[in-house]
Amino acid sequence: GAGVSQSPRYKVAKRGQDVALRCDPISGHVSLFWYQQALGQGPEFLTYFQNEAQLDKSGLPSDRFFAERPEGSVSTLKIQRTQQEDSAVYLCASSLVAGFGELFFGEGSRLTVL
Amino acid sequence: GENVEQHPSTLSVQEGDSAVIKCTYSDSASNYFPWYKQELGKRPQLIIDIRSNVGEKKDQRIAVTLNKTAKHFSLHITETQPEDSAVYFCAAYAARGGNKLVFGAGTILRVKS
Repeated sequence: GAGVSQSPRYKVAKRGQDVALRCDPISGHVSLFWYQQALGQGPEFLTYFQNEAQLDKSGLPSDRFFAERPEGSVSTLKIQRTQQEDSAVYLCASSLVAGFGELFFGEGSRLTVL
Repeated sequence: GENVEQHPSTLSVQEGDSAVIKCTYSDSASNYFPWYKQELGKRPQLIIDIRSNVGEKKDQRIAVTLNKTAKHFSLHITETQPEDSAVYFCAAYAARGGNKLVFGAGTILRVKS
């Protein structure tokens, strides 16, 4: 399809496990964002890529969170040693341009840490 | 950094009535204000946006107004329909705050038929 694709859609992890969440942005989109959405809350910014460069990672909550976009297209968000407070929906969004513009969101990856 | 406050958190209206959702922002340098609609279990989708050189923008039953002096902006939905029921998020963008949108906490809109 032509939209932003995320996988897995649902992930259950035991506390302490590592998880990897994948995002396939719309082809040709320069900007890629990761957001964390807790239940009943708005999306909270995690990190931003312009092509392969990670220009802003100020929203990553701890050094257990790591994101990459090595070839400027697919991105992976990795969470090490998961904690219960990491349970949330992780949304990926892409935009055609750098700077502000319409964000196209994926369906999200719902992470539940037991 | 930018902070966006949104209210009300929930809003119930009768079908055909109007709905208004309000947001305030903190960074006077913010210059782009989109609104996203998120249906249950679905992805957020842009419904309308406004830039700081415009005071009002309208698209069929949806309009957004911006008051830069007061640093607030509002979403107006007229002639509400059951399919308007969703969570609505406002957001603000300020280039000096990093290249990111800052979202409000959301408003659950219920349109009763």
